[in-house]
Amino acid sequence: QVQLQESGPGLVKPSETLSLTCTVSGGSISSYYWSWIRQPPGKGLEYIGYIFYNGSTNYNPSLKSRVTISVDTSKNQFSLKLSSVTAADTAVYYCARVGRYYDILTGYSPDAFDIWGQGTMVTVSS
Amino acid sequence: QSALTQPASVSGSPGQSITISCTGTSSDVGSYNLLSWYQQHPGKAPKLMIYEGSKRPSGVSNRFSGSKSGNTASLTISGLQAEDEADYYCCSYAGSSTLVFGGGTKLTVL
Repeated sequence: QVQLQESGPGLVKPSETLSLTCTVSGGSISSYYWSWIRQPPGKGLEYIGYIFYNGSTNYNPSLKSRVTISVDTSKNQFSLKLSSVTAADTAVYYCARVGRYYDILTGYSPDAFDIWGQGTMVTVSS
Repeated sequence: QSALTQPASVSGSPGQSITISCTGTSSDVGSYNLLSWYQQHPGKAPKLMIYEGSKRPSGVSNRFSGSKSGNTASLTISGLQAEDEADYYCCSYAGSSTLVFGGGTKLTVL
């Protein structure tokens, strides 16, 4: 079955760029959207963005100016970069697969986050 | 885009039924049936429980059901069990290819 695994530094300095990678195993990275979600300690889930295997992306408007999500189909991986981080970006970061819903009038839309990685804690601190 | 509104907490006794609401707007919950629910136990990743408003993924108990009326979606858990105690989050498609989560609801089984 498909599994996702996040990797990257657990500590990032303020003003620097947070970089994480999600490795997809047990299936192809094609045909689905691939996303990042985060959860600050003791708080709720926040959608960050997603990417399709062809490189098309969607980002949360509140984070859009600082977020870049990219995909490497040859490695079955996708990545997150979040620039100019502050303590407010301290969170558990999850990668997840997103289903695609097709409507004859509107085309494809993101559906549900059906498979999740275990999450990785990233702390922003000097 | 604003987060969907969920009650901070709900509680129920074993065997009872509870309902968690998720209120959005005509731009998200009210316009699309792409509403999903997630269960999260402490220290664990969220788990998909309901998608497209009322569909259950394979392996999810039929004690979990979803519905929608207007701008409000609901998750109902019947026959409450101790293992259902967790945080629950709703998520909706919000147009323009984007998604929005609810603030989360802590379910306590008394």
